[in-house]
Amino acid sequence: AQSVTQLDSHVSVSEGTPVLLRCNYSSSYSPSLFWYVQHPNKGLQLLLKYTSAATLVKGINGFEAEFKKSETSFHLTKPSAHMSDAAEYFCVVSDRQAAGNKLTFGGGTRVLVKP
Amino acid sequence: DSGVTQTPKHLITATGQRVTLRCSPRSGDLSVYWYQQSLDQGLQFLIQYYNGEERAKGNILERFSAQQFPDLHSELNLSSLELGDSALYFCASSGERTSGGGWPTSTDTQYFGPGTRLTVL
Repeated sequence: AQSVTQLDSHVSVSEGTPVLLRCNYSSSYSPSLFWYVQHPNKGLQLLLKYTSAATLVKGINGFEAEFKKSETSFHLTKPSAHMSDAAEYFCVVSDRQAAGNKLTFGGGTRVLVKP
Repeated sequence: DSGVTQTPKHLITATGQRVTLRCSPRSGDLSVYWYQQSLDQGLQFLIQYYNGEERAKGNILERFSAQQFPDLHSELNLSSLELGDSALYFCASSGERTSGGGWPTSTDTQYFGPGTRLTVL
C-alpha cells in the first residue's frame, strides 16, 4: 500500500525568504510523485512531477523538488516566496494498480506568506 | 484553466436525498477520476473510469456510484445523503488518445476540475 506524509500542516514564511515543504512517501512499487497546489476556492493545479527521470525536478512558478530514494522523500522548495504562493500544497504518490491509476494524497501543508 | 469542467459549482440538499454531479474531461482524455475532499478525511480517491469502463476503486461508499458515457463525460451519483457527505468533490482527467490505445500509467498527469461543493443539511 502507498502512503504520503507531509511533515508540516502549516508553514509560515516571510516574502522573499525560502520555502521548504517536506514530504515522505511509502510505496510498494517504483512511484511517480507529484506536488499539487490548491488556492482558496480553486481546484488543484500541478506544480511538478517526478517519473524516474532526473531526481531534481523543476516545476512552475520557481518551485522544484528533489527525489531521494534512500530517504523516501520528495521535498518541495522555492528560493524566494511570493505573496501569491499562499495556498495549500499536496504531495501525491501514484502507483499503477493492476488496472488503474490511483493517486494518494498527503494531508496538505498550508503556506502563509507574510509581507 | 485545466480544461476539465464540473457542474454544478455548489449544491445544497437535505439528508436522504440523491444528487448527481457531472464532469466533462479535457478534450481527448479517456480517463476520469473522482475524488472527495473533506475536512476530516482530506483528499481521497473514489473511483476511476477509462473509456467507459471502471478501472479502479477507492474509498467509495456503496451509496455512491459513477459512470462514464460514450462521449466520455462522467457522472457521480450520491444517494441517501448524510451530513457527513458534505464535501468538495473533484473530477480529474488524464490519458490523451494515442495510437497505442492510451492506457493510463502512473506517470500520467491528472488535470483537476474546479470541484462541486456539496452541502447536506
